[in-house]
Amino acid sequence: QKEVEQDPGPLSVPEGAIVSLNCTYSNSAFQYFMWYRQYSRKGPELLMYTYSSGNKEDGRFTAQVDKSSKYISLFIRDSQPSDSATYLCALIYFGSQGNLIFGKGTKLSVKP
Amino acid sequence: SQTIHQWPATLVQPVGSPLSLECTVEGTSNPNLYWYRQAAGRGLQLLFYSVGIGQISSEVPQNLSASRPQDRQFILSSKKLLLSDSGFYLCACTLGGYTFGSGTRLTVV
Repeated sequence: QKEVEQDPGPLSVPEGAIVSLNCTYSNSAFQYFMWYRQYSRKGPELLMYTYSSGNKEDGRFTAQVDKSSKYISLFIRDSQPSDSATYLCALIYFGSQGNLIFGKGTKLSVKP
Repeated sequence: SQTIHQWPATLVQPVGSPLSLECTVEGTSNPNLYWYRQAAGRGLQLLFYSVGIGQISSEVPQNLSASRPQDRQFILSSKKLLLSDSGFYLCACTLGGYTFGSGTRLTVV
């Protein structure tokens, strides 16, 4: 079983829709959870990070962590065409020298 | 805030040729530095990380090597490229945050 599983999509939604992106993980030692957005041919950029179960909100984005289920989510409200990108979840556990474990990414397309 | 400079942006190299990709960091000192490779359908794979000058850890055996000659400089090299070395190479830095460079798209032909 891979450490982090993420549905690669592609996911296509109409503008204004609520988008739900998800990852599951197997190692309960993971402590920090991040979401990155990557536009085509660009480096990933950090959207949000959290280290506890529950929700964290930043504008149209909400990150949700459920450590008991080993399940993390990113919700995008009022999605825009500019949100079209690949979204990667990334996890770190203590003592890993900060090495991120990435999901494979979900490609999102928001249609105007 | 940290800024990562990575070059070149794109590179086409023949099989068997050498490789040198450079990454420099601004806005921080003594950062952890990382080289990742992103291949289609395979996600981001950690290749090397460094916690200080001259300290390199390799995550996977391969045709590549890394060096850190200065605190804020990280170099990825190969003596002889293989077709399988093609991919998108990303340098990353962490010290309080985790920032990626803009990447180098390498095509080995």
